[in-house]
Amino acid sequence: QVQLEESGPGLMQPSETLSLTCTVSGFSLTSNGVGWVRQPLGKGLVWMGTIWAGGSTNYNSAVQSRLSISRDTSKSQVFLKMNSLQPEDTGTYYCARHPGIEDYFDYWGQGVMVTVSS
Amino acid sequence: DIQMTQSPPSLSASLGDKVTITCQASQNINKYIAWYQQKPGKAPRQLIRYTSTLVSGTPSRFSGSGSGRDYSFSISNVESEDIASYYCLQYDNLPWTFGGGTKLELK
Repeated sequence: QVQLEESGPGLMQPSETLSLTCTVSGFSLTSNGVGWVRQPLGKGLVWMGTIWAGGSTNYNSAVQSRLSISRDTSKSQVFLKMNSLQPEDTGTYYCARHPGIEDYFDYWGQGVMVTVSS
Repeated sequence: DIQMTQSPPSLSASLGDKVTITCQASQNINKYIAWYQQKPGKAPRQLIRYTSTLVSGTPSRFSGSGSGRDYSFSISNVESEDIASYYCLQYDNLPWTFGGGTKLELK
């Protein structure tokens, strides 16, 4: 069945670079896009960016200058890298699958909590 | 960017009640709206896609409707397992944008 699992460090310092990995199973990254969604503690959901099945990417302009999403299809992994972290980047980061091109999210990972604090 | 104005931010209901949540988009989103349920500490769970299509496993007490800029999501006969937060998502235009969420509580 379709599964996504995020992994990465839980605590980061301001100005550091965050690296998260989303490992997927039950589908191919060359068939479905995977996006990243952030949720600050106690707040709503914000789409950050997506890497599509063909390998192209789209980013939210709010974080575009700091964000990079890439993938390793042989390992079924999608990577998020975001630099110049600030405390307001604290939150839960989810990866989620798009069932089709420029589509909504159907399956989600369980999320990884990232705290940015000195 | 398309803004999704979701209301109300919170809702109190008794078991068996019908509740309705609305999302208004800042422009026509051509019915490309999905609805998600999120329980504390859990990932969002997809309930409805393309305005009114229930995804597999979504109970029939959930429904969605709307067109243009205005959309609604309803739960008839609220059950205890429905206590959660609910979010709309527009996927008509990048960037995808979510509504601010509605927290459903028991009265």
